Amino acid sequence: SQQGEEDPQALSIQEGENATMNCSYKTSINNLQWYRQNSGRGLVHLILIRSNEREKHSGRLRVTLDTSKKSSSLLITASRAADTASYFCATAGSGNTGKLIFGQGTTLQVKP
Amino acid sequence: DAGVIQSPRHEVTEMGQEVTLRCKPISGHNSLFWYRQTMMRGLELLIYFNNNVPIDDSGMPEDRFSAKMPNASFSTLKIQPSEPRDSAVYFCASSPGERLNTEAFFGQGTRLTVV
Repeated sequence: SQQGEEDPQALSIQEGENATMNCSYKTSINNLQWYRQNSGRGLVHLILIRSNEREKHSGRLRVTLDTSKKSSSLLITASRAADTASYFCATAGSGNTGKLIFGQGTTLQVKP
Repeated sequence: DAGVIQSPRHEVTEMGQEVTLRCKPISGHNSLFWYRQTMMRGLELLIYFNNNVPIDDSGMPEDRFSAKMPNASFSTLKIQPSEPRDSAVYFCASSPGERLNTEAFFGQGTRLTVV
């Protein structure tokens, strides 16, 4: 069964705007990760945030984590047409099993 | 490093035939995952190996599916007999450590079509 649920399922914005995607999960986690998938390709890791962290930045990406609400958000600032892709959150459970469970993903379209 | 290598990239087979998907993880990585992706069900974890040992196969849909990892540099996912509902993109991923806080590296996937 899937751990994460993301919203929105689809997002369409203009180039230069910010894009925010949300992820909710159900059980305790060790960390939460965000991945990107271009059409027809494999997933590429973007950023990892540990359960004891609240916010993390990487370039134009900003990730927040609220373990009390079991939710995370991914913000892409100043979006570009090349950011068009599907974005997935994935959770690694606190049981130290290494199991990585993915959400359903958000499809982002950035219009030039 | 060439990354995670999967073969074949595309496979079209007839219902009832055996299908074998192959994966070469990144050298030195301890963990290997097999995922299946469909529009309806998203990305599902099928099985997870650590140090070549299957740790969790609860996602394997049924007995028609089996996975092996005979050594640290090779894994297979076999479907026998295949059915049209097995049509999906199958991804293999590897990660550096048995402990968490490490990212997974994905292959390009095998697109399987069962007709």
